[in-house]
Amino acid sequence: DAKTTQPTSMDCAEGRAANLPCNHSTISGNEYVYWYRQIHSQGPQYIIHGLKNNETNEMASLIITEDRKSSTLILPHATLRDTAVYYCIVRASTDSWGKLQFGAGTQVVVTP
Amino acid sequence: GAVVSQHPSWVICKSGTSVKIECRSLDFQATTMFWYRQFPKQSLMLMATSNEGSKATYEQGVEKDKFLINHASLTLSTLTVTSAHPEDSSFYICSAPDGGTGNQPQHFGDGTRLSIL
Repeated sequence: DAKTTQPTSMDCAEGRAANLPCNHSTISGNEYVYWYRQIHSQGPQYIIHGLKNNETNEMASLIITEDRKSSTLILPHATLRDTAVYYCIVRASTDSWGKLQFGAGTQVVVTP
Repeated sequence: GAVVSQHPSWVICKSGTSVKIECRSLDFQATTMFWYRQFPKQSLMLMATSNEGSKATYEQGVEKDKFLINHASLTLSTLTVTSAHPEDSSFYICSAPDGGTGNQPQHFGDGTRLSIL
């Protein structure tokens, strides 16, 4: 699976949009982009995923560049409960039924 | 939505004890489940893939005789840490994909914090 690069940390103001970048320049055509987050001492939580079109759900929006080499997760109105480590992962749908390899992620701290 | 339950959430035991951790898919069937380990301030590390009705597949460097995995039903996988020692103290997390297509997301349990004295 392609590797991803994320900033180590980000601070966001409560109520503002949080834009989390992810670089995946070696992504293959059949690889999806997944975002998960992990709140301290809990298991990871699925946020959103996409292949090439932008996606939106009740939690966030995922913007994937046309060349698919990078993406941005957008939390539209960050709250204190969004403080977590956010992981961007790319994986092919044909790869081992969901096997995920986690990188270091981005530590997001939402401040009042 | 799909839920994965892990039990126990916290266990403390003496060195040399074997500890069993359960991972259940509550409202869906999972022919495959995954086990991860996470040390403090580090990311999740995939340990093994648990396959219903067959042997688990271990990642490189993970001792299969140390970490016994059993996936006896479509909703339950267990991880047994045998003869645990302090260096096995960690946060163990399981996950399972929900759905019949390969791009469906994983659902994670809330983890088991293992402390070996």
